[in-house]
Amino acid sequence: AQSVTQPDIHITVSEGASLELRCNYSYGATPYLFWYVQSPGQGLQLLLKYFSGDTLVQGIKGFEAEFKRSQSSFNLRKPSVHWSDAAEYFCAVGAGGSYIPTFGRGTSLIVHP
Amino acid sequence: GAVVSQHPSWVICKSGTSVKIECRSLDFQATTMFWYRQFPKQSLMLMATSNEGSKATYEQGVEKDKFLINHASLTLSTLTVTSAHPEDSSFYICSAIGSGGNTEAFFGQGTRLTVV
Repeated sequence: AQSVTQPDIHITVSEGASLELRCNYSYGATPYLFWYVQSPGQGLQLLLKYFSGDTLVQGIKGFEAEFKRSQSSFNLRKPSVHWSDAAEYFCAVGAGGSYIPTFGRGTSLIVHP
Repeated sequence: GAVVSQHPSWVICKSGTSVKIECRSLDFQATTMFWYRQFPKQSLMLMATSNEGSKATYEQGVEKDKFLINHASLTLSTLTVTSAHPEDSSFYICSAIGSGGNTEAFFGQGTRLTVV
């Protein structure tokens, strides 16, 4: 079965600094990969997804992620973080052509002014 | 993107009563809907998958008699927590996938259930 590991429970960055959130997945074939963001008490919003093709994926709100098969990773990046980016970020994998995501435990992003 | 609406956003109920949570796809037909449970500071755990007009498929460890799921139409799924107890208090989130090759699951805003 597929699984997702987000090794960082919390990440703290200063506003304007760059950001990278780590995600590693476990799945035998090429997975579908997702990053979602959740604000406190809210549902999830899809930031970006990878199904195939270009391994560098652009998403909303200035986020991007790169699929690296050799490292089984799909790290999320943003060049300059805004205070409004403070939220919980979930990496997810859909296996076997499934769009049903299996979620990692999430990384809480804290942004200092 | 497509919109999925959950109602209510929060609910408080007494122990032993039942509570129903609705999940609606507002601008697309949702052939498949999913119900997740999220504990504080934890990830989303898939509870069940429901297809319109069919019985829901529950994940291992989820009590189907306690968490009743109905997907009676292409735009509405309901989750009923029966005989609720304080340990059922949680954040419940639904998501939906449409027909026609839709490749994204859209999520509702979640429902905070508190059982007192």
